[in-house]
Formats: sequence, structure tokens, C-alpha cells
Amino acid sequence: EDQVTQSPEALRLQEGESSSLNCSYTVSGLRGLFWYRQDPGKGPEFLFTLYSAGEEKEKERLKATLTKKESFLHITAPKPEDSATYLCAVQASGSARQLTFGSGTQLTVLP
Amino acid sequence: NAGVTQTPKFQVLKTGQSMTLQCAQDMNHNSMYWYRQDPGMGLRLIYYSASEGTTDKGEVPNGYNVSRLNKREFSLRLESAAPSQTSVYFCASSRDRAKDTQYFGPGTRLTVL
Repeated sequence: EDQVTQSPEALRLQEGESSSLNCSYTVSGLRGLFWYRQDPGKGPEFLFTLYSAGEEKEKERLKATLTKKESFLHITAPKPEDSATYLCAVQASGSARQLTFGSGTQLTVLP
Repeated sequence: NAGVTQTPKFQVLKTGQSMTLQCAQDMNHNSMYWYRQDPGMGLRLIYYSASEGTTDKGEVPNGYNVSRLNKREFSLRLESAAPSQTSVYFCASSRDRAKDTQYFGPGTRLTVL
């Protein structure tokens, strides 16, 4: 059974204080790992897709990395507008190819 | 482009009532999905439609039915609502099911009393 565990559940940072969010996964053959951002009362917003170990992608203050067992979302010099819940999901290479989501990390960036 | 739209945004039902949640996408995507999101549990797939004319069960299909009306529209029906179906429902779409990004709608917050 595919599993995704995100840590920490919640993270409070001061503006400018860099940190990382973790996504550990167990999947029978990884087809892709996805990062989404979700604001309160809104739907998940796509950030990145990573397909193979060693791959990295960047967007503004965010950088996602992937190993064979986990992914990190690095946030450099965050701003209050980066406050949101960050969701990680994996897609297995089996026949169903559905996404399995983690429970998310709620990030709060204080001014 | 509006992307993925959902109606209604909020709904309150009594136990045993029925309703249909509507979803439409204007991105010419082939695949569409229905998820529910509950606190501490992450998003869970209810049903999906890989292409027009096909539907398949996801992780938590019991108590739900779906209809892929055409390429743009995918509806989710609760025939006899139960309090356990209180949740936030999200529709998503992707170009296809293989190695492709899913884009989500704004959600429908459903409460069953």
C-alpha cells in the first residue's frame, strides 16, 4: 500500500528564517511526486512535479528535491505570503496511477 | 480560462437527502477526479474518469455515484447522505492519467446533519 508521511505537521517561522518540509513516501514504483500549496478555503494549487531521484525544481523562494525515499521542500527567506498548507502526493507506476496524498504541513510565516 | 469550476460552494443536507455536486473544466483535459478532504487524513480519491465515457472507483467510493456527462463535466452524486459524508469535496482534472499534473477546483464544503 502506498503511503506518504509529511513532517512536521505545523511549522512557524519568522520572516526570513529558512527551513525545510519533509515528505517521506513508500510506493511500489514511483511515477511522480507532486507538491501543492493550499490556502484556507481554497483548492490545492500545483507547485512542482519530480520524477526521479536527484531531480530538483525551483520557483521563487521554493526548491523541491527528491531522493528514493523522501522529498524536501526548501523555503528560503520566507515571507508572510508563503503561509499555507503544503501537500505532497505520490503517483505509483501501477495500473491505478492515482495520487496518494500526505496530510500536509501547515506553514505560518510571521512578520 | 476558468480552469476547474465547482458548484455549489457550500451545502447543508439532512441525513437521507440526495444531491449532486457539479464540476466542469475548460482545459480540454481527458481525465477528471473527485476527492474528499477530511482533517488529518489528506485528500482521498472517490472516483475518477480516465476519459469520456469511462469511470472507475477510487479509494473511498461507497455512498457515491458519478457521471461523466461529456469531456468537460464530471458530477458526483450522493443518493442518501450520511453524517460521515460531511467533508470538503474537490474536483480535479489532468490531460491524462499517466505522469500528468492534476489541477484542482475550489471545492464544495458539505455538511450532513
